[in-house]
Amino acid sequence: EAGVAQSPRYKIIEKRQSVAFWCNPISGHATLYWYQQILGQGPKLLIQFQNNGVVDDSQLPKDRFSAERLKGVDSTLKIQPAKLEDSAVYLCASSLQLAGYPLHFGNGTRLTVT
Amino acid sequence: TQLLEQSPQFLSIQEGENLTVYCNSSSVFSSLQWYRQEPGEGPVLLVTVVTGGEVKKLKRLTFQFGDARKDSSLHITAAQTGDTGLYLCAGATGSQGNLIFGKGTKLSVKP
Repeated sequence: EAGVAQSPRYKIIEKRQSVAFWCNPISGHATLYWYQQILGQGPKLLIQFQNNGVVDDSQLPKDRFSAERLKGVDSTLKIQPAKLEDSAVYLCASSLQLAGYPLHFGNGTRLTVT
Repeated sequence: TQLLEQSPQFLSIQEGENLTVYCNSSSVFSSLQWYRQEPGEGPVLLVTVVTGGEVKKLKRLTFQFGDARKDSSLHITAAQTGDTGLYLCAGATGSQGNLIFGKGTKLSVKP
């Protein structure tokens, strides 16, 4: 089966600019996650979708980050405006359903904010 | 706040040596997963442990879930250079099974 697809692979922007990341999960996976992984740390959950509904966005900085999964398939994560501390790898993952199913991760988008 | 502490943070060993990495928390988890992440790639699931005291083996890797489901260990026998990577543990919590990740153990196996 095809894995989780993410684009772009790399992005360099200046602070205060905006950026968007795209994710296409494994076909048939109802649950989609966006994680932020800062260098030297483990992934931190930003937002979790079940189909096209948000299950958990408690750690999403909503003043600058937004995400959508309008048709319950692919998803977009946006940052506007970006700050230096947003430099990280943004990982998308999907799983068949909530709770107890393994996560399948994409290779991530490495964002550098200068 | 639930935290998963992983130790050691870094480990550099020679090929053929054995090693153990640890994942500890004061919280109880419904299950615990171990992932390996290589540079430029996303984490890949190695194993899920669910029952307290459970031991699972994956070739030269042995995973154990603590009796109280608060901690876990990963033991690698006769490490190979291909074992190099970042090992992450992640505990599942809550009705949604949200995963909380530790910071990882960065393993380097030298030939």
